[in-house]
Amino acid sequence: AQKVTQAQTEISVVEKEDVTLDCVYETRDTTYYLFWYKQPPSGELVFLIRRNSFDEQNEISGRYSWNFQKSTSSFNFTITASQVVDSAVYFCAQRRAGTASKLTFGTGTRLQVTL
Amino acid sequence: EPEVTQTPSHQVTQMGQEVILRCVPISNHLYFYWYRQILGQKVEFLVSFYNNEISEKSEIFDDQFSVERPDGSNFTLKIRSTKLEDSAMYFCASSDSTWGQYFGPGTRLTVT
Repeated sequence: AQKVTQAQTEISVVEKEDVTLDCVYETRDTTYYLFWYKQPPSGELVFLIRRNSFDEQNEISGRYSWNFQKSTSSFNFTITASQVVDSAVYFCAQRRAGTASKLTFGTGTRLQVTL
Repeated sequence: EPEVTQTPSHQVTQMGQEVILRCVPISNHLYFYWYRQILGQKVEFLVSFYNNEISEKSEIFDDQFSVERPDGSNFTLKIRSTKLEDSAMYFCASSDSTWGQYFGPGTRLTVT
């Protein structure tokens, strides 16, 4: 069975601080995919990134970066120079390889960025 | 950019009533999903659908629930007799292959 753990329930930072959201996953699969989604107060789920299990290269997209470490089963997400607009709930998710397989979500981390 | 759409955005119904939630997936996608999110909780998988049949369903997806693709564009979730605990945000998602699932904006269902 797959499991995704986001131990941080809520994080508060002041604007311009860097913040890292942790994600630890469990799977017996050798091939799988990892995701991050953002859920702003309006409620929709916004896709941020997908990683394949065989690609451990870290990725940077603007102020966002992701650190995938297979050895520790972690897929952490860092926001550099946070902004108020980053305030949202962030979900880490996993799915096994296979065309119709479901996403298993973590419980989410609520990020509050204040001025 | 193509997107998944869902209607209605908010549905209020009385306990015991039937509701149908509608989704229009991205047009060239073949895999469809329903998830739900009870307020303040995580997103939970309900069902996946491919080639006009259910691929997988969770324990939540009991006999009260059904899914259908009535035509070439719509994908519906029916709850036959709603309960208070069915109140949640329901997300539809679609996918073309092994890549990420694209989510609709959700339908907030309130059962009173």
